Amino acid sequence: DARVTQTPRHKVTEMGQEVTMRCQPILGHNTVFWYRQTMMQGLELLAYFRNRAPLDDSGMPKDRFSAEMPDATLATLKIQPSEPRDSAVYFCASGLRSGGATGANVLTFGAGSRLTVL
Amino acid sequence: EDQVTQSPEALRLQEGESSSLNCSYTVSGLRGLFWYRQDPGKGPEFLFTLYSAGEEKEKERLKATLTKKESFLHITAPKPEDSATYLCAVQSETSGSRLTFGEGTQLTVNP
Repeated sequence: DARVTQTPRHKVTEMGQEVTMRCQPILGHNTVFWYRQTMMQGLELLAYFRNRAPLDDSGMPKDRFSAEMPDATLATLKIQPSEPRDSAVYFCASGLRSGGATGANVLTFGAGSRLTVL
Repeated sequence: EDQVTQSPEALRLQEGESSSLNCSYTVSGLRGLFWYRQDPGKGPEFLFTLYSAGEEKEKERLKATLTKKESFLHITAPKPEDSATYLCAVQSETSGSRLTFGEGTQLTVNP
């Protein structure tokens, strides 16, 4: 069963520390997304890539967040320095174009990385 | 800007009691409307894609329908294992590959 793999599953850190989350997308998928989920905001898009090129990172605080795809099997999301308001579950998802001709994009999500910043 | 509103926020049903969840949307050119299921501690799991008004899709006890302004997820004779948060999302002609999600409906089915 093809799946998106995220590490770490849980991370507790102190304010000011660097945090790196990693994602292995499904082989053959060419779009990769980072979403953040909180009780207050629901699922928010942070950034996404197509063919490893960043297409949109307007959802990220640029001064502290960065997202990269060093190769087709790895996407990273880094927070430096981390703050308590960054506490959330971070999801990676990779995209598969649907069978229709409309361009609709079915996403497969990973299990998420739960981040707690003290 | 694409907008998605789901109602109710939470729904509690007895086993076997059918009901519907609502997803209202505003987009500029719909490419697809998606329903996902999310269990606690897990990522959203894909259920359906709907492309155009009038379309319907079914999977076990779930049926999704679509109009030009909203989608419904009908749950027929639900079981406790249907308890989850159900998320609706849209992709539009102006959003590229991005999905915009609603805040979800938390469904609890009591035995």
